[in-house]
Amino acid sequence: GAGVSQSPSNKVTEKGKDVELRCDPISGHTALYWYRQSLGQGLEFLIYFQGNSAPDKSGLPSDRFSAERTGGSVSTLTIQRTQQEDSAVYLCASSASSARGQETQYFGPGTRLLVL
Amino acid sequence: GDSVTQMEGPVTLSEEAFLTINCTYTATGYPSLFWYVQYPGEGLQLLLKATKADDKGSNKGFEATYRKETTSFHLEKGSVQVSDSAVYFCALAGAGNNRKLIWGLGTSLAVNP
Repeated sequence: GAGVSQSPSNKVTEKGKDVELRCDPISGHTALYWYRQSLGQGLEFLIYFQGNSAPDKSGLPSDRFSAERTGGSVSTLTIQRTQQEDSAVYLCASSASSARGQETQYFGPGTRLLVL
Repeated sequence: GDSVTQMEGPVTLSEEAFLTINCTYTATGYPSLFWYVQYPGEGLQLLLKATKADDKGSNKGFEATYRKETTSFHLEKGSVQVSDSAVYFCALAGAGNNRKLIWGLGTSLAVNP
């Protein structure tokens, strides 16, 4: 079956521009997570969706970052007025629900963002 | 807050050598523990996991045991292969619905023939 997909795979933008990153989770997975992987910071949690709501946005680094999820499926992470420190690989993961809570997270290939 | 401390790399071994990558954690409650692997040019993949104390996760010859008394989840493999060259990440997730992963910094492993 299809795994988690992300687009674009690479994005080069100029400082100050807005970017949108897309994630298509595994069908039927109710939980969706965004992480960021950068050289200086390692892997960091950004935001968690359960269905279309985001009960945990604590990892978003500034108000320039926002995300939404529609139809309990596709999610978009938007970065406004990009800065060079936003350069990183943005990873999306999804997981199924069970009586114990969320299960194993499966990761997409990531979007590599470079801000010039 | 919760945190994961992982052995720094890079680690370089010869084929068939024994591998240990240390991982310790700090967490409230009873987290689940994971090892993820990232092969060159590929995405993160779950290698193994353990969800409660004394559980042993295993996959592809790798093993790790959830040790609550030492708050550790060390990764081991008895005989590494060149194809094991990758970056290995230790992570934890709390209980409940929000199982966001808290990550170690990763350990790069290079296995030479």
